[in-house]
This record gives sequence, C-alpha cells and structure tokens, in this order.
Amino acid sequence: EPEVTQTPSHQVTQMGQEVILRCVPISNHLYFYWYRQILGQKVEFLVSFYNNEISEKSEIFDDQFSVERPDGSNFTLKIRSTKLEDSAMYFCASSPTTYIQYFGAGTRLSVL
Amino acid sequence: TQLLEQSPQFLSIQEGENLTVYCNSSSVFSSLQWYRQEPGEGPVLLVTVVTGGEVKKLKRLTFQFGDARKDSSLHITAAQPGDTGLYLCAGWDTGNQFYFGTGTSLTVIP
Repeated sequence: EPEVTQTPSHQVTQMGQEVILRCVPISNHLYFYWYRQILGQKVEFLVSFYNNEISEKSEIFDDQFSVERPDGSNFTLKIRSTKLEDSAMYFCASSPTTYIQYFGAGTRLSVL
Repeated sequence: TQLLEQSPQFLSIQEGENLTVYCNSSSVFSSLQWYRQEPGEGPVLLVTVVTGGEVKKLKRLTFQFGDARKDSSLHITAAQPGDTGLYLCAGWDTGNQFYFGTGTSLTVIP
C-alpha cells in the first residue's frame, strides 16, 4: 500500500543551525502538508502546498520556515535558524483531495 | 483558542465495553476526519465525514457528523485491547484552516 515516507526519523541539531526535513508523498497526490507536534501537545497545522505554491499557512509558519517541492517526488520543510522551541515531531501528509490526508511516521527534531 | 474540543480526554475501559468519544466546536466544518495515533507515529486516517448527519461504519467503529457540521462522535462497540490509542478528530473549517482536536487517549484493559 502506498505510504508517505519521511527522512530522517530523528534529527539532532544545534540551536541556530538550518535543518531540512524531507518527505516523499504518495505519488499521485496533489496536496501536501506539514504539521508539528510538540511533546505532550496536540498536532498543529503548519502549511499546505498545492500547485507548487503555499495555499494556506498558520501563524506558526513564520519567516524561519519554508517549503519546497524541488522535484516531482520530494516535499521539504526547511527551518532556517533553529530554536530550542522548534523541538517537536514534524509530520508530513499528502492528499488526493482536500478532504483526506495520509500522514508519514514523522521526523523527531531535537534542537540542543 | 481551541477550535475542536474532544471529550473525554482520557478513557479507560474493560474489554467488551462500548464507548463514545465526542468532538465539538462552535465553528462549522466543511469536513471532519478521525485519526488514531500511536506513540511516536503519525496519525492514521480512520474516516472522513463530509455531509451533515452522515453516519459511517468501519467494523466496530461508528462515526457521525452532526447535522450542523459543528460536531462529530466516534462510537466503538465491544472495545478490544487493540483499540488502545490516541483518537483525534480534525477538520477544515469554512475559512480553509485545518485543526486537530485535543485528543482522547483510550486504554482498553484485557
């Protein structure tokens, strides 16, 4: 069964460093999303992406964040200068329509 | 502001019992989804409801979308230990923002 894959499963970085989290969405899906979940808290929407541009973003998704679909298969989330409070699980999701989303297993980001 | 409130937050029941989880909002949602999440993993989609009053069944799970599309419920019949997990409702509001609910942690005791 097709699935969303995310790499790496765990990323450790120093505060102030740039990180890129990678996602391979399900191949025929058109909509792509990033979410984060701080330990012990609920899942929060970051951004949605459609037709090679951001369609929606939350207030969390500030200038430190950017997304890109560099080729036909990958969807990346970049955090330019990580802060301690960026430590969280980051989930990628993809969707054939706006009503259904399939999530990856997540990347745990630890900022030291 | 918490847009999607789930209740109860925690639920611990014996195997074989029935349970209902509620997802409520003061806002109208164009669709609502239910997910189950295991620790350290991503949410797994269970169902999507789109039409007010819609009822969907998935084996022992019954999902209902409120007539006004502001609330939803998940009913599990004869719960089993394999049902243990975090249940999340989520959805798109009419302003095209996506929200997850506060979550319900279910433990089914054998």
